[in-house]
Amino acid sequence: KAGVTQTPRYLIKTRGQQVTLSCSPISGHRSVSWYQQTPGQGLQFLFEYFSETQRNKGNFPGRFSGRQFSNSRSEMNVSTLELGDSALYLCASSADRAEKLFFGSGTQLSVL
Amino acid sequence: GESVGLHLPTLSVQEGDNSIINCAYSNSASDYFIWYKQESGKGPQFIIDIRSNMDKRQGQRVTVLLNKTVKHLSLQIAATQPGDSAVYFCAEITSGNTPLVFGKGTRLSVIA
Repeated sequence: KAGVTQTPRYLIKTRGQQVTLSCSPISGHRSVSWYQQTPGQGLQFLFEYFSETQRNKGNFPGRFSGRQFSNSRSEMNVSTLELGDSALYLCASSADRAEKLFFGSGTQLSVL
Repeated sequence: GESVGLHLPTLSVQEGDNSIINCAYSNSASDYFIWYKQESGKGPQFIIDIRSNMDKRQGQRVTVLLNKTVKHLSLQIAATQPGDSAVYFCAEITSGNTPLVFGKGTRLSVIA
């Protein structure tokens, strides 16, 4: 069974640009969660989608958004990038309730 | 703020020794706990989980202990190997569809 796949693996952007990250969950998993990981803050919850609906949202500004498609694949978008958005963005999937999460390898975003 | 934290940021052990990684949580409503292992360049990998109606659970070379009285969680790794070197995170969920909350992690270094 294939694991969680995230693309791209690395991204370099400049301040003010926007970025879209993609996540394909494990086959059969309907819940997709996104986390931001930085050395100072650890893993911070961004949002969770289940059956194309946002079920939970973390404490991030509105520049961070996401969506989920009917095949459970998910994307997250960050608009008007800031230097502080540089981080590893992790996607995780689970079968139903977002508890036992299975993570992808992440997308490393660098904002210059 | 986060309700999950770790006592020690780093831990060094000799190969073959047992490792104990500790975690404190503050939310008495938490009912599910997970330990994750994150190696360099990878996403967190599920190790073992435990529900609040249990106080001990064993896996292959790993044991998780839960002490609800003092809100303490620990991960014990038997016969620690070089491949166990990684950052270990504890995570918790409170009841309902709340997101998984992660602690900041402990870096385990195995000395050969």
